[in-house]
Amino acid sequence: EAGVAQSPRYKIIEKRQSVAFWCNPISGHATLYWYQQILGQGPKLLIQFQNNGVVDDSQLPKDRFSAERLKGVDSTLKIQPAKLEDSAVYLCASSYTGTINYGYTFGSGTRLTVV
Amino acid sequence: GDSVTQMEGPVTLSEEAFLTINCTYTATGYPSLFWYVQYPGEGLQLLLKATKADDKGSNKGFEATYRKETTSFHLEKGSVQVSDSAVYFCALISYDKVIFGPGTSLSVIP
Repeated sequence: EAGVAQSPRYKIIEKRQSVAFWCNPISGHATLYWYQQILGQGPKLLIQFQNNGVVDDSQLPKDRFSAERLKGVDSTLKIQPAKLEDSAVYLCASSYTGTINYGYTFGSGTRLTVV
Repeated sequence: GDSVTQMEGPVTLSEEAFLTINCTYTATGYPSLFWYVQYPGEGLQLLLKATKADDKGSNKGFEATYRKETTSFHLEKGSVQVSDSAVYFCALISYDKVIFGPGTSLSVIP
């Protein structure tokens, strides 16, 4: 089966600019997650969707980050305006509801560098 | 809150050496435990898992046993290869939330 697709793979922007990342989960996976992985740290959950509804966005910096999952399939994560500390790898993951204990499938991530 | 602690890296081993990466957790309830691996330039991959106490997860020569009494899930491999060089993350899932440890970088030298 096809994996979780993310684009772009790399992005370099200046601080205060905006950026958007795209994720296409595995077909049939109802749950989609966005993680932020800062260099040297484990991934941190930013937002979790169930179909097109938000389940958990408690760690999403809502003053600058936004995410949507229209039609319950693809998702975009946006940062506006970006700060230097947003430099990280942004990982998307998906899971088929009901198999949570068997782990997620992760995409390869988007590496963001803010200069 | 729930958390995962891993031994600090980086860890450098010679090929065919024995590997142990310690992982301990704090959680309410009965979490499932995982080890993920991240090879250079790639995404996270599930390495192995255990869903209840005393379960042993294994894959590609790696093993880890879910020890409820010591709240641990240490990763072991009897003979590492250069291709095992990667960052290893211990993680737990509890109440539909995944919590990752900080990761342990492993370098295996020929």
